[in-house]
Amino acid sequence: EPEVTQTPSHQVTQMGQEVILRCVPISNHLYFYWYRQILGQKVEFLVSFYNNEISEKSEIFDDQFSVERPDGSNFTLKIRSTKLEDSAMYFCASSRNGIYGYTFGSGTRLTVV
Amino acid sequence: KQEVTQIPAALSVPEGENLVLNCSFTDSAIYNLQWFRQDPGKGLTSLLLIQSSQREQTSGRLNASLDKSSGRSTLYIAASQPGDSATYLCAVGPNAGNMLTFGGGTRLMVKP
Repeated sequence: EPEVTQTPSHQVTQMGQEVILRCVPISNHLYFYWYRQILGQKVEFLVSFYNNEISEKSEIFDDQFSVERPDGSNFTLKIRSTKLEDSAMYFCASSRNGIYGYTFGSGTRLTVV
Repeated sequence: KQEVTQIPAALSVPEGENLVLNCSFTDSAIYNLQWFRQDPGKGLTSLLLIQSSQREQTSGRLNASLDKSSGRSTLYIAASQPGDSATYLCAVGPNAGNMLTFGGGTRLMVKP
């Protein structure tokens, strides 16, 4: 069964450093998403991406965040200058057409120290 | 703003019991509702998707119902097994392709 692949599974970074989280969505999917889950809290939407542009973003997704689909297969989330409160599990998801539900990756646990 | 609530937050049952997990949402203008399973430290596995025009979906021992007008969904698990132990999340989407709003989950433990 096709999977959404995320790398790395765990990343530790120092406050103020830039991090890039990587995702390989399912190949025939057209909609891509990033969500995050701070420990003990709800899963929160960050951003959706369709047709090579951001289609929707949340209040969390400020100027410190950016997304890119650099080569037609990878989908990345960049955090420019990490803060302690960015520590969370970050999930990538993709959807074939936005109608038949999502497939989530297994997540990247980001720890900012 | 859409709010999704799941009750109970935690549930512990002996193996073999049938159980019901509840999900409520404040804005009935949804496109679909999805139930996920999350194992500790892991990603989300989609269990069932109900479109707004549907009333229920079934997969094996799982049955999810949707009452859009009252803003409620239930996930019914028949003959629970220890392997069903996980956190169950429901999420609603307002439009095709757009963001999902998640509930806080129900943490289920099924004891042998």
